[in-house]
Amino acid sequence: QSALTQPPSASGSPGQSVTISCTGTSTDVGGYNYVSWYQQHPGKAPKLMIYEVSKRPSGVPDRFSGSKSGDTASLTVSGLQAEDEADYYCTSYAGSNNLVFGGGTRLTVL
Amino acid sequence: QVQLVQSGAEVKKPGASVKVSCKASGYTFSNYYMHWVRQAPGQGLEWMGWINPNNGGTNYAQKFQGRVTMTRDTSISTAYMDLSRLRSDDTAVYYCARGKEWELPHWGQGTLVTVSS
Repeated sequence: QSALTQPPSASGSPGQSVTISCTGTSTDVGGYNYVSWYQQHPGKAPKLMIYEVSKRPSGVPDRFSGSKSGDTASLTVSGLQAEDEADYYCTSYAGSNNLVFGGGTRLTVL
Repeated sequence: QVQLVQSGAEVKKPGASVKVSCKASGYTFSNYYMHWVRQAPGQGLEWMGWINPNNGGTNYAQKFQGRVTMTRDTSISTAYMDLSRLRSDDTAVYYCARGKEWELPHWGQGTLVTVSS
């Protein structure tokens, strides 16, 4: 299974919105509605932010939203805050009981 | 509350094996798959596979097939990940993560495995 493609970096100023993409194929992102997004701060375990493309676990601010079009999923962070600066990873179910991660995107709040 | 507590850091020589444990609490252990994910220093997350604690069934990422074995002991709500024939590029933090469908809402604290001669 090949890793999903994410941009290495993204940035925005406080209060702005930023969107991170996650591109796969019809056998993973495009084929299933099982895309998740994780936030990871340095030295910490990842935290689930979005699951099943656009659902938010309880406790995750509604500034975080997810969507999908074809083989590309997206995470949008609105009203950027300093604490949103972190690495973000997408995952997708890839068939045959397999999961695949994206390469990760470092989000910088300017 | 759900807690996953992993075993401590390990230092291994190339060619050796390592076994990392993940003790679960706060939920019914047998009801949720346990996944293993690793992260090499400065690198991204890499999915390794899962175990179904209910029946011991497993599924491993193709990259690790033949080198990884995931097991569980339901009597003590603990999952294990055994990686053999270690190489220097297996140096990483290894995480267990409890699954729900195909998302991972709960993670252990991570176990650093260092492979060095």
